[in-house]
Amino acid sequence: AQKVTQAQTEISVVEKEDVTLDCVYETRDTTYYLFWYKQPPSGELVFLIRRNSFDEQNEISGRYSWNFQKSTSSFNFTITASQVVDSAVYFCALSEAFNNNDMRFGAGTRLTVKP
Amino acid sequence: NAGVTQTPKFRVLKTGQSMTLLCAQDMNHEYMYWYRQDPGMGLRLIHYSVGEGTTAKGEVPDGYNVSRLKKQNFLLGLESAAPSQTSVYFCASSVHRASRDVFYEQYFGPGTRLTVT
Repeated sequence: AQKVTQAQTEISVVEKEDVTLDCVYETRDTTYYLFWYKQPPSGELVFLIRRNSFDEQNEISGRYSWNFQKSTSSFNFTITASQVVDSAVYFCALSEAFNNNDMRFGAGTRLTVKP
Repeated sequence: NAGVTQTPKFRVLKTGQSMTLLCAQDMNHEYMYWYRQDPGMGLRLIHYSVGEGTTAKGEVPDGYNVSRLKKQNFLLGLESAAPSQTSVYFCASSVHRASRDVFYEQYFGPGTRLTVT
């Protein structure tokens, strides 16, 4: 079965620092999607990005950027010039074409941005 | 649009009691899911549904049952609650997949915090 590993349990940075959240995945399928979700202190899960296995282009959205590398099975997430509002738990997730509806989540990384 | 809503937000049960969690979505999504979130373990899929009247097991289905009688609602039942079912439960929905190789993001409800004593 597919697996997602987020080795960083907690990260603490000071505002305006850049921070990278790591995500490593395992899958036997050649077709799959990767996702990042944000869970702020209020508890809801907010979708951030979806990336399919055929598209290795990096993506940038404002202060957020994602680096997808199939060679290392990684889909890392970087926040540039972090802000206090970025404090949250971030989840990486994977869905395989073979195992349609079974999206597997990593354990999450808790990011704390201090003023 | 309310999106995905969950009822109740909080609940405390005693071991052996039963309850039903209700999930409702107003986005006309075909797919609906129930997850549980436990500390240090991320979210794990309990059951899911690909359409009205259909349900299937996920990663951790034991001790739970589900029903999808209406497209917009997905119910999660605990017949005999156990302390191991203390968790935060999230419902999610997503649009119908056009093909095997296409995936869409899931939209999540606010969660239900359940404590079983």
